[in-house]
Amino acid sequence: DIVMTQSPDSLPVSLGERATISCRSNQSLYYSSNDKNYLSWYQQKPGQSPKLLIYWASSRQSGVPDRFSGSGSGTDFSLTISRLQAEDVAVYFCQQYYTTPYTFGQGTKLELK
Amino acid sequence: EVQLVESGGGVVQPGRSRRLSCAASGFTFDDYAMHWVRQRPGGGLEWLSGISWSGSTISYAGSVKGRFTISRDNANHLVFLQMNGLRPDDTAVYYCAKVFTNSGYAVGFDTWGRGTLVTVSS
Repeated sequence: DIVMTQSPDSLPVSLGERATISCRSNQSLYYSSNDKNYLSWYQQKPGQSPKLLIYWASSRQSGVPDRFSGSGSGTDFSLTISRLQAEDVAVYFCQQYYTTPYTFGQGTKLELK
Repeated sequence: EVQLVESGGGVVQPGRSRRLSCAASGFTFDDYAMHWVRQRPGGGLEWLSGISWSGSTISYAGSVKGRFTISRDNANHLVFLQMNGLRPDDTAVYYCAKVFTNSGYAVGFDTWGRGTLVTVSS
């Protein structure tokens, strides 16, 4: 199975500041035939179901604010929130869909400093 | 509105079985693969199983393979998770999720139900 490891587990950030979450896989998620990285990011607010934010490592899902961006390739990826807003407090998960089982990272809890 | 509604959760004794259902609406159900994901109390997300639009391709996580069975009923827009031999560590919220496709590829899950809680306890 592909192991996904996020860091940090918890990230305190002040309002208006930048937040960056890292996600690393133990094998490459890059598929050369279509030049894509098979990685997505989700946001889960307390008491809610996960919400898809980013797919193909850097493509923003429709309706997601442009302060959210994804980057990376191969085995190292990151999710950046450029200017933190109060409604961004949540747990963020990365997921690989390169191969089954479609494993998730353990989650990063983003909180206000 | 695209919607998924899970049902079938509850308290079940160790070793017993439970079948979860997921009712889909608001989209062309038989165009999409469907998946089950669970979340243990206070824990992360664990992908469990997925089924293709036709039901011909099925995958399972190692933790449930041989105990859980996914199936779907395209006529009634339902997907199921039959869970046998339940253990206390199967206690979790179970989510049904719809695949999001881009350029013909499945690229994540864009619609999730609210989940149904399964508690395995004597």
